[in-house]
Amino acid sequence: QSVLTQPPSVSAAPGQTVTISCSGSSSNIGDNYVSWYQQLPGTAPKLLIYDNNNRPSGIPDRFSGSKSGTSATLGITGLQTGDEASYYCGTWDNILSAVIFGGGTKLTVL
Amino acid sequence: QVQLQESGPGLVKPSETLSLTCSVSGGSISTRSYYWGWIRQPPGKGLEWIGSIFYGGSTYYNPSLKSRVTISADTSKKQFCLKLSSVTAADTAVYYCARHDGVYRYTATFDHWGHGTLVTVSS
Repeated sequence: QSVLTQPPSVSAAPGQTVTISCSGSSSNIGDNYVSWYQQLPGTAPKLLIYDNNNRPSGIPDRFSGSKSGTSATLGITGLQTGDEASYYCGTWDNILSAVIFGGGTKLTVL
Repeated sequence: QVQLQESGPGLVKPSETLSLTCSVSGGSISTRSYYWGWIRQPPGKGLEWIGSIFYGGSTYYNPSLKSRVTISADTSKKQFCLKLSSVTAADTAVYYCARHDGVYRYTATFDHWGHGTLVTVSS
């Protein structure tokens, strides 16, 4: 069981907006930056968001990140079938002294 | 563009040591700006950070694996390596190497990844 809690799955229709939550505690999300990853089937994770809300070059602005207290959220607007993937949040945990990841959320674009 | 590539045996026997190498191209691992890390993913499961190394040799490991893990770097070959001892079936996973933005603060930011290599622990 992951220290960071994500919903196992979310779904939405093409063109719609979806949000994926990542819940933690004061020792991790509450005190450190959050990153988000997209993992398409059979491929390596790809960095989508770093430092809570920054996008690496090449990541479309349809993807956004936010953080409030001990929770973080990934938002995806204008959903496309190509967005079907698993999404992971990650951060540092001060008590565990380790990089930790959420259990992942599988996005289905109906 | 930095590229990473994992290599090593795809099958390891229980109780033996898993050894993998990550080769970096398109950039140097002798950079003061990044660590270099290993992450694994058991089949059908989530991501687990194993540990990271700075080119000067400084390392930090996941406490849950620390007693069995060694990460080293060979800057002349632009490679860094993972050794995981006393493996069991629970260590069966896809192993990824990645560039880790963790020099100035602790983060979970891995901005360039290898394709991953599946290592199966079985007799």
